[in-house]
Amino acid sequence: AQKVTQAQTEISVVEKEDVTLDCVYETRDTTYYLFWYKQPPSGELVFLIRRNSFDEQNEISGRYSWNFQKSTSSFNFTITASQVVDSAVYFCAFSNTGKLIFGQGTTLQVKP
Amino acid sequence: DAGVTQSPTHLIKTRGQQVTLRCSPKSGHDTVSWYQQALGQGPQFIFQYYEEEERQRGNFPDRFSGHQFPNYSSELNVNALLLGDSALYLCASSQTGQIYNEQFFGPGTRLTVL
Repeated sequence: AQKVTQAQTEISVVEKEDVTLDCVYETRDTTYYLFWYKQPPSGELVFLIRRNSFDEQNEISGRYSWNFQKSTSSFNFTITASQVVDSAVYFCAFSNTGKLIFGQGTTLQVKP
Repeated sequence: DAGVTQSPTHLIKTRGQQVTLRCSPKSGHDTVSWYQQALGQGPQFIFQYYEEEERQRGNFPDRFSGHQFPNYSSELNVNALLLGDSALYLCASSQTGQIYNEQFFGPGTRLTVL
């Protein structure tokens, strides 16, 4: 069975610090997709990125970057120069059949 | 372009009652999935509807049922409510045929069972 683990329950940083959120997944499938979602206090899940299992190229989008390593089954998310508006719960998720399997989430608090 | 909408926003029920939650998918989407998110937890997949039929189901009892209408909107019904059903219920829509299964989420319905 597939599983997603986000070992960091809560992270607190000071504004402008870099922060990395860890995600480890378990699967025996060769074709799958990995996602990151952001959940602000309003509750709505906001899509951040999708990666397929055949594309290990790292991706950068502004202050966000993602490191996908199949060898270690990890899909980590780094925020550079964090801002207060980045404060939220972040979820890593796995999918290979259309349903999303989420990790427990990491609460990020960015203090001014 | 309207995103995924859900109603109601909040709901308070008592044990044993029944509840119906509603979801309208994003324009152009034909698949609706429902998730339950308990406080402090990640969302858990309940089921997915496509072409008015349940296509996949997670590990939830038969008290949880759903329906999809010809306009792709969907309802989630929960019978015989338990205290443990208190959670944020999220609806997500997607477009079948997209290989990457990107799902767009609504704002959720927060259900409190007393």
